[in-house]
Amino acid sequence: DAKTTQPNSMESNEEEPVHLPCNHSTISGTDYIHWYRQLPSQGPEYVIHGLTSNVNNRMASLAIAEDRKSSTLILHRATLRDAAVYYCILREASGGYQKVTFGTGTKLQVIP
Amino acid sequence: SAVISQKPSRDICQRGTSLTIQCQVDSQVTMMFWYRQQPGQSLTLIATANQGSEATYESGFVIDKFPISRPNLTFSTLTVSNMSPEDSSIYLCSVVDRNTEAFFGQGTRLTVV
Repeated sequence: DAKTTQPNSMESNEEEPVHLPCNHSTISGTDYIHWYRQLPSQGPEYVIHGLTSNVNNRMASLAIAEDRKSSTLILHRATLRDAAVYYCILREASGGYQKVTFGTGTKLQVIP
Repeated sequence: SAVISQKPSRDICQRGTSLTIQCQVDSQVTMMFWYRQQPGQSLTLIATANQGSEATYESGFVIDKFPISRPNLTFSTLTVSNMSPEDSSIYLCSVVDRNTEAFFGQGTRLTVV
């Protein structure tokens, strides 16, 4: 599996935007970029995913570099409930039933 | 989407004993997975639970230690056998739907004393 690199931790002030970076320089052409987050004492939950174009949903936005070697998860207004570990994961497009392989993730702290 | 229920949510067990964790999904799913999350760490995949056949284990995990059953498309169990304090972790069940989104249970917090 191609590997991702994320900062171990980040801080953000409440109600400010948060940009969580992810490097994936060995990404293949068929890899989708997925983001999951794990709130304290809960299982991970899906946030967003994309292939080449930027993506938006109700939780976040995903900005993908033109060469696809990096991406950024954007939380437009951080709330205290967004404090979690955020995982950037690459998954092959071939088949929808693949396992999810987790890296170390970024622990986001939101300061009131 | 899929809703996953895991039982028990937590347990404290004596070393040398075994614990069976149950995972129930509210819909039929093709793929089910079991993960371990050691304290302060990320998730590590233990195995893929295959319906009707033996589970597929990741490197470092063996069937004798972590036997898995998958009797149908909505249920699986993971047993942690002959436990030691090093087995103290959170164990999570996960399923993947055809749209590639993965869903996770709340986890079973196991403490071995």
